[in-house]
Amino acid sequence: EPEVTQTPSHQVTQMGQEVILRCVPISNHLYFYWYRQILGQKVEFLVSFYNNEISEKSEIFDDQFSVERPDGSNFTLKIRSTKLEDSAMYFCASSETRGDGELFFGEGSRLTVL
Amino acid sequence: GENVEQHPSTLSVQEGDSAVIKCTYSDSASNYFPWYKQELGKRPQLIIDIRSNVGEKKDQRIAVTLNKTAKHFSLHITETQPEDSAVYFCAASSPGYALNFGKGTSLLVTP
Repeated sequence: EPEVTQTPSHQVTQMGQEVILRCVPISNHLYFYWYRQILGQKVEFLVSFYNNEISEKSEIFDDQFSVERPDGSNFTLKIRSTKLEDSAMYFCASSETRGDGELFFGEGSRLTVL
Repeated sequence: GENVEQHPSTLSVQEGDSAVIKCTYSDSASNYFPWYKQELGKRPQLIIDIRSNVGEKKDQRIAVTLNKTAKHFSLHITETQPEDSAVYFCAASSPGYALNFGKGTSLLVTP
């Protein structure tokens, strides 16, 4: 069964460093998302991406964040200058349709900022 | 934007009993309401979903009901088993917009 894959599974970084999280969505999906989950809290929407551009973003997704689809398969989330409060599990997801179809989540990338 | 409220935050039931989790949403344009199960350290996985043109949907021991007038929807798990223990998230979205999740309900099923 096809699935969303994410790398790395865990990254530890120093405050102020840049981090790139990588995702390979399911191949026939057109909509891509990043969500984050601070430990013990809810899954929070960050950004959605379609047709090589951001289609929606939340208040969390400020200028420190960016997304890119550098080639036909990868979808990346970059955090330019990490803060302690960026420590969370970051989930990539993809879907065939937008807004009314199943989201398929990756296993997540745990980011720890020291 | 959409605001999804979920309760209770924790729920403990005896094996074999039923569990009910309730959610409300704010955006009357929302038309898709999935429920996700997240086991400890794992990804959220869809267990059931309902669209606004349907009032109830059932899949074996799991059912979801939707009241569009009141803007609330509920997850019902019957004959609970220890392996149902997990965090359950409701979510809602309106056409063309991303899913917004509730805060989650930690369900514990004790043998």
